[in-house]
Amino acid sequence: DGGITQSPKYLFRKEGQNVTLSCEQNLNHDAMYWYRQDPGQGLRLIYYSQIVNDFQKGDIAEGYSVSREKKESFPLTVTSAQKNPTAFYLCASSMGRDSNEKLFFGSGTQLSVL
Amino acid sequence: AQTVTQSQPEMSVQEAETVTLSCTYDTSESDYYLFWYKQPPSRQMILVIRQEAYKQQNATENRFSVNFQKAAKSFSLKISDSQLGDAAMYFCAYRRPTGTASKLTFGTGTRLQVTL
Repeated sequence: DGGITQSPKYLFRKEGQNVTLSCEQNLNHDAMYWYRQDPGQGLRLIYYSQIVNDFQKGDIAEGYSVSREKKESFPLTVTSAQKNPTAFYLCASSMGRDSNEKLFFGSGTQLSVL
Repeated sequence: AQTVTQSQPEMSVQEAETVTLSCTYDTSESDYYLFWYKQPPSRQMILVIRQEAYKQQNATENRFSVNFQKAAKSFSLKISDSQLGDAAMYFCAYRRPTGTASKLTFGTGTRLQVTL
């Protein structure tokens, strides 16, 4: 089945530690995105990538980093510089740049601080 | 910057009844796209319906329809014949015109409860 796979489902981070969230898609989509969801708030864009080896900052990129070495993969690293990392993280993908197209979402990763 | 406002944090509807969720947005663009996403307890985001701003006709998808008022910058979602499976968080989202990546701006969501 085609789709987006996020792992792990739950992740715990210690103080000063970097952690990486995985996002893999087999939909042959060019564009991929990372969103953060906090309680009582909507989704906020962290980073996005329209094509391999290229990515752009979203609205809340500070304390995060990404890479896009393969079309299928868009991992997100939450660095120690992110002081409030506890949130639900959603990865998404879309075919390209058409405004009307549907975003496909993964099932998310809940990150908590120990 | 575009903003999306959902002024109803929670709504409740009885099974088989109709409910309307409100959404307003702020933009200076004349062409754009609007979406409603559903997030059930599984937390998976599911597209419910989408609307192109240049189309005057309101979008419909089975029991889901929108009331798009461009001049008022309003985009409400109507759910008819509500079912228990409709219980979820509903997010309104805005996207700028073609030429940019699919960067959606989301509202804060409305939690819909469906009662027997």
